[in-house]
Amino acid sequence: GAGVSQSPSNKVTEKGKDVELRCDPISGHTALYWYRQSLGQGLEFLIYFQGNSAPDKSGLPSDRFSAERTGGSVSTLTIQRTQQEDSAVYLCASSLGPGTGETQYFGPGTRLLVL
Amino acid sequence: GENVEQHPSTLSVQEGDSAVIKCTYSDSASNYFPWYKQELGKRPQLIIDIRSNVGEKKDQRIAVTLNKTAKHFSLHITETQPEDSAVYFCAASRGGSARQLTFGSGTQLTVLP
Repeated sequence: GAGVSQSPSNKVTEKGKDVELRCDPISGHTALYWYRQSLGQGLEFLIYFQGNSAPDKSGLPSDRFSAERTGGSVSTLTIQRTQQEDSAVYLCASSLGPGTGETQYFGPGTRLLVL
Repeated sequence: GENVEQHPSTLSVQEGDSAVIKCTYSDSASNYFPWYKQELGKRPQLIIDIRSNVGEKKDQRIAVTLNKTAKHFSLHITETQPEDSAVYFCAASRGGSARQLTFGSGTQLTVLP
């Protein structure tokens, strides 16, 4: 079946503008994660959604970052008042619910460049 | 929180030789340890994972070992091939309500023909 998809694949924006990044998880996956990967670096956890539970926002770097997941499926990561240090690849992953598998499947990412 | 350290950061081997990448973790409650391979410009792909109730797992040329007491785990690739060249990331998670992965900083593996 279809894997995790993300859009846009690339986004160039000006400092101070808001951006929205979208993630479509694998159908049936109840867990959804957002990570950030800066150039040449590892992946940094941002936020985790599990079913209808309150999300784990412990990885969000500032209050300019927020995310929502509508209907337990599609998720949107919003960055307000973007800064140059927000430039990175934003990766989304999904997995089956607790007790049924830990494997996280990643999307292709959105490459964000803040000028 | 969890901290995962990975080394070496770069590794070059001759085709056919073995490659070993090592990671240590800090949270003794972590119980799931995947390894991801990321080719340039592509998404991370899971290549193998291990849970804390086993000490070793193999899949063809790839194996992972886990030492819970020492809190370290390693990736072993035998008979390396040029297509194994990529960045490899180790990760750890506690599972349950804390299933997000904490990643190591990555190892750039280059297999020389």
